[in-house]
Amino acid sequence: GAVVSQHPSWVICKSGTSVKIECRSLDFQATTMFWYRQFPKQSLMLMATSNEGSKATYEQGVEKDKFLINHASLTLSTLTVTSAHPEDSSFYICSAYRDTGEQYFGPGTRLTVT
Amino acid sequence: QKEVEQNSGPLSVPEGAIASLNCTYSDRGSQSFFWYRQYSGKSPELIMSIYSNGDKEDGRFTAQLNKASQYVSLLIRDSQPSDSATYLCAVNTNYGGATNKLIFGTGTLLAVQP
Repeated sequence: GAVVSQHPSWVICKSGTSVKIECRSLDFQATTMFWYRQFPKQSLMLMATSNEGSKATYEQGVEKDKFLINHASLTLSTLTVTSAHPEDSSFYICSAYRDTGEQYFGPGTRLTVT
Repeated sequence: QKEVEQNSGPLSVPEGAIASLNCTYSDRGSQSFFWYRQYSGKSPELIMSIYSNGDKEDGRFTAQLNKASQYVSLLIRDSQPSDSATYLCAVNTNYGGATNKLIFGTGTLLAVQP
């Protein structure tokens, strides 16, 4: 299978600061990556679609100025949580779309905002 | 509203038995179907993809697709305690299109009893 990495795997930050999460496809190129959020015992929630070289497409209800997405290359997308608050504490997971039609998930980043 | 439905479970099976997981979807135009396994606290892992009617086997896993009935299933033979996880059914209703977003079911919790 294909490999997708995320960094960091966990992060603790203070309220009001920003946090950047990286998502990399290690052995294939991904023109499209996706960012999800998952709260404990809840379903995956798609936040946005990240397209290489263009602006991200955000799902309804997701603040684009708070969750900044940059897809600068065919193997890297970043999610920056700006002015983080405790309610942003969650498990953030990226996935990368492969041209075989499959999506592969990264291992996730657990964010805790204090 | 495009929907994917799964029984939330838990589905409890004894070790060595066959576990049968089911999924229905609402969009008749759906083209690609996936099964992901998610252990508690981890990200989803792709275990099967299926694109055409019929059965697809990979090791102990068999995916079955019936587009006329809008039904996808996953069979796990010789179930092991390590198979205990939440199984997510996902459908891509826009294969090759602009978004390639997956629509996820809420998942079925499988518990394999030793």
